[in-house]
Amino acid sequence: ETGVTQSPTHLIKTRGQQVTLRCSSQSGHNTVSWYQQALGQGPQFIFQYYREEENGRGNFPPRFSGLQFPNYSSELNVNALELDDSALYLCASSLPRVFGETQYFGPGTRLLVL
Amino acid sequence: AQSVTQLGSHVSVSEGALVLLRCNYSSSVPPYLFWYVQYPNQGLQLLLKYTTGATLVKGINGFEAEFKKSETSFHLTKPSAHMSDAAEYFCAVRGEVNTGNQFYFGTGTSLTVIP
Repeated sequence: ETGVTQSPTHLIKTRGQQVTLRCSSQSGHNTVSWYQQALGQGPQFIFQYYREEENGRGNFPPRFSGLQFPNYSSELNVNALELDDSALYLCASSLPRVFGETQYFGPGTRLLVL
Repeated sequence: AQSVTQLGSHVSVSEGALVLLRCNYSSSVPPYLFWYVQYPNQGLQLLLKYTTGATLVKGINGFEAEFKKSETSFHLTKPSAHMSDAAEYFCAVRGEVNTGNQFYFGTGTSLTVIP
């Protein structure tokens, strides 16, 4: 069984640029959630995708967007990067709510915005 | 709305001593509660979870937690700390259906184990 993987592991961007982060879900999981973890904080929910559709969104601006592909992998896109976007971005995969409740996390992508 | 509060951002224990990490939750529906551990520069690993049924749940690495509805608590314990337990611990509650199935995390407790 393959766990959740994310790429890249680290990324450095400058303010105003755009970034794409990638996530492959655990085998058999069709739901992917993205979280932002700022330094010294707990993860904050960005959004969730189920069957290629957004299935819930946290308190993040529209410049945070995502995609889910038929193979259930997912991308997180952030436009017009700001310094405060520097954080660890975590992807979590799970089964649909009615079938399971546990989210399994990947190792994260650490983004630094200069 | 759901939320969790972790009391104590830093906890230090001696090797072999009891570990107690505190978590209180707020939920308008029966909660699903989780503890995750995060080692430096890594993602989150599930330690244990409470959904329904037995209120004392056992997890990996000798950790356990007890769901107490009357106290709205879900504290994490381990009888004897090991050096390898040093990490960041997060308590989380699953959101209601209308929240998109998100998890709400606490701010974390950093556990230091003193040799």
